[in-house]
Amino acid sequence: NAGVTQTPKFQVLKTGQSMTLQCAQDMNHEYMSWYRQDPGMGLRLIHYSVGAGITDQGEVPNGYNVSRSTTEDFPLRLLSAAPSQTSVYFCASSYSDGQPQHFGDGTRLSIL
Amino acid sequence: GNSVTQMEGPVTLSEEAFLTINCTYTATGYPSLFWYVQYPGEGLQLLLKATKADDKGSNKGFEATYRKETTSFHLEKGSVQVSDSAVYFCALIFNDYKLSFGAGTTVTVRA
Repeated sequence: NAGVTQTPKFQVLKTGQSMTLQCAQDMNHEYMSWYRQDPGMGLRLIHYSVGAGITDQGEVPNGYNVSRSTTEDFPLRLLSAAPSQTSVYFCASSYSDGQPQHFGDGTRLSIL
Repeated sequence: GNSVTQMEGPVTLSEEAFLTINCTYTATGYPSLFWYVQYPGEGLQLLLKATKADDKGSNKGFEATYRKETTSFHLEKGSVQVSDSAVYFCALIFNDYKLSFGAGTTVTVRA
């Protein structure tokens, strides 16, 4: 029972590089989301999706893109990494609105 | 908009001490309230939840009561263990999928 799987667990990038953080869930959840966790700020919502083909912006979307071509996958793309994007990124999913979300183990990203 | 304010800490306790982490919220209407826990190096896990006023969520010896009159959802445990050392997050959802989190409280329990 894998739940929410994030890859990679760690990544170091240089400023200006691009990369994709992967997120997959096997629970047939409609809702998926991406958060970033920074010290003293809790988790902040980057982007979310309420179903395949539907995405929307959260609280801090700038510098990030998402797509949702399948129910299972919700990748997060950094097109041109900046040091301000150094953070721990969490993907989460839930079955329906108002329900608790299931979180992945996170991706720790450092931008030099 | 919806927001959560929680005691930031850090909090350091001895084993078997009583733990309280304060959480208050601002929301239009009546949100669902959650406590999540993050153990070192791991993702967030749901600890407990309450969906309406006066509900009490409980799990692993932790409790929190949804207080509409004080817009609060304080987390309590009567006797903490070293294994309770973690970061605790208060959060809410109101009529949608988007969680609003507090800043998190780091709790360290010493043997």
